Amino acid sequence: QVQLQESGPGLVEPSQTLSLTCTVSGDSISSIAHYWSWFRQHPGKGLEWIGYIYYGGSTFYNPSLKSRVTISLDTSQNHFSLRLTSVTAADTAVYYCAREPAKPGQPPDYWGQGTLVTVSS
Amino acid sequence: DIQMTQAASFVSASVGDRVDITCRASQGISNGVAWYQQIPGKAPRLLIYRTSHLQGGVPSRFSGSGSETDFTLTISSLQAEDYATYFCLQVNSFPYTFGQGTKLQIK
Repeated sequence: QVQLQESGPGLVEPSQTLSLTCTVSGDSISSIAHYWSWFRQHPGKGLEWIGYIYYGGSTFYNPSLKSRVTISLDTSQNHFSLRLTSVTAADTAVYYCAREPAKPGQPPDYWGQGTLVTVSS
Repeated sequence: DIQMTQAASFVSASVGDRVDITCRASQGISNGVAWYQQIPGKAPRLLIYRTSHLQGGVPSRFSGSGSETDFTLTISSLQAEDYATYFCLQVNSFPYTFGQGTKLQIK
């Protein structure tokens, strides 16, 4: 059974870097069959796609966040990570990681439970 | 970016009711819509992909329909465990975008 679990600090100071890790079990992040994605959900709002990474390190980001986002893979640990720089209160959200089949029109099929990150001093 | 609009933020219904939840795209997106169920504290659950394809393990009371700009998630006979928030996602073009969600409440 595929499971994803987000981890990282729940509190980040303004202007600092948010760093989260998604640990995957039941699948390999080296698989060519899937993309590995990050999303977020601001309090009381809809979800926002942040970006994804493919095996080999190819990435694709939401243009609205592209200048501040890096997604990376660690195949030795079977996890992938999100870095978001220069955070502000507007980056306070629940962050989700997800697996997405690498086929046109296929949405993410497995998600983590999400982790709340608050940006505050 | 493509805007996905779920007109109803809340829907009230009783167990056994048929429920339709709608989503409208700001431009044509073919059949690139998925539907998810979200329960607080739990991972979003994929219900429907490519507008009308039922994800494995999802009860057959869930179905999806529509094309281009107008899409519907239907629950044919509401069960107690279906009270949750439902949102649509378009994967036809980048960046992916979501509807704001429709919360299904007990009537």
